[in-house]
Amino acid sequence: ETGVTQTPRHLVMGMTNKKSLKCEQHLGHNAMYWYKQSAKKPLELMFVYSLEERVENNSVPSRFSPECPNSSHLFLHLHTLQPEDSALYLCASSQELRPTDTQYFGPGTRLTVL
Amino acid sequence: GENVEQHPSTLSVQEGDSAVIKCTYSDSASNYFPWYKQELGKGPQLIIDIRSNVGEKKDQRIAVTLNKTAKHFSLHITETQPEDSAVYFCAASRNTNAGKSTFGDGTTLTVKP
Repeated sequence: ETGVTQTPRHLVMGMTNKKSLKCEQHLGHNAMYWYKQSAKKPLELMFVYSLEERVENNSVPSRFSPECPNSSHLFLHLHTLQPEDSALYLCASSQELRPTDTQYFGPGTRLTVL
Repeated sequence: GENVEQHPSTLSVQEGDSAVIKCTYSDSASNYFPWYKQELGKGPQLIIDIRSNVGEKKDQRIAVTLNKTAKHFSLHITETQPEDSAVYFCAASRNTNAGKSTFGDGTTLTVKP
């Protein structure tokens, strides 16, 4: 185990639903990330948080809304998603926001939008 | 912005053979190059990394080489084992883009027993 947990592991939702993805890290890290992993495409960085402040929003549609209530927890709130949003959503954390700090990934949430 | 290309997309080798995966990058300011291994049902895990002031780094059966002039870096796995089967990703980042790595498309490695 990497010390980063994600729930749920699988999620199926309709386009009108509202759901949330949860990430928790037990490593004492100060930076957390959300990535989208689609088939045949490279990992796409969505959001970066450092000490609970959002420092990066990588042109992500507003139907994805992140929340970082403390340095151990990260949420991704979803509403009115599209079928093309179906993907594996990965959370990661690192000690600080330095490129040489190892990012530890969770197992991901497999999201299917019907 | 940075662009990272990774080849091949799939690689099949016999157990005991070597495997080589190559990546090229476009931003000459990139100075940190990690490699991740992603097994089925899991998130990517760092297996080795290299900084731009080093040409080669080894860790048991895994090595990474970096050619800054040509802007490419490679992952070498020797004496492959079936448990090496996974998807491997390269990435590139630089100090001024802390936390923002650009990833390659991934290589699916299959090691046949």
